[in-house]
Amino acid sequence: NAGVTQTPKFQVLKTGQSMTLQCAQDMNHNSMYWYRQDPGMGLRLIYYSASEGTTDKGEVPNGYNVSRLNKREFSLRLESAAPSQTSVYFCASSDFRPEAFFGQGTRLTVV
Amino acid sequence: QQQVKQSPQSLIVQKGGISIINCAYENTAFDYFPWYQQFPGKGPALLIAIRPDVSEKKEGRFTISFNKSAKQFSLHIMDSQPGDSATYFCAASPFNNDMRFGAGTRLTVKP
Repeated sequence: NAGVTQTPKFQVLKTGQSMTLQCAQDMNHNSMYWYRQDPGMGLRLIYYSASEGTTDKGEVPNGYNVSRLNKREFSLRLESAAPSQTSVYFCASSDFRPEAFFGQGTRLTVV
Repeated sequence: QQQVKQSPQSLIVQKGGISIINCAYENTAFDYFPWYQQFPGKGPALLIAIRPDVSEKKEGRFTISFNKSAKQFSLHIMDSQPGDSATYFCAASPFNNDMRFGAGTRLTVKP
């Protein structure tokens, strides 16, 4: 049982490049989330999807877009990467509050 | 601004001691208050959670205390062990699953 799978695990981008972070869950959860984790800031919600077909902005959505491709998959896209987007990105899924299941994270560096 | 304020940022406790981490919130729409534990290189994992109609919840060595009038809640780890060394996050969630996290507390338990 894989749970929440994120790809890639590590990525280095140049300023201005674009990329998509992929997330898939195999627990049949309705809700999916993207967080970023920065030292001293904790986990900040970028976007979430309460159910297939819906997405909502979180605390820090600027510079990001998301797609809930189907019930399993929720992707995060950086259209024009900036150094301020250097962070560790976590995808999570949940069905019953408060338990969210997190992936292993994607460590992104923008140079 | 962060909707959930967590303190302290870091905590060092001797083996067998009590670790106490505090959180405060402002949004009265929050109605689920979980604590997550994160080990280096891993995603956060649910440790224990409480709803505001209960003032205390205990699971093994972990206890959440909740003060609804003060809008504060805390995590107590009794008989702290070196294996408890991790980063702990408090979180809060309203009805729509939009979960917000505190900044995190890095706990070190010295043998």
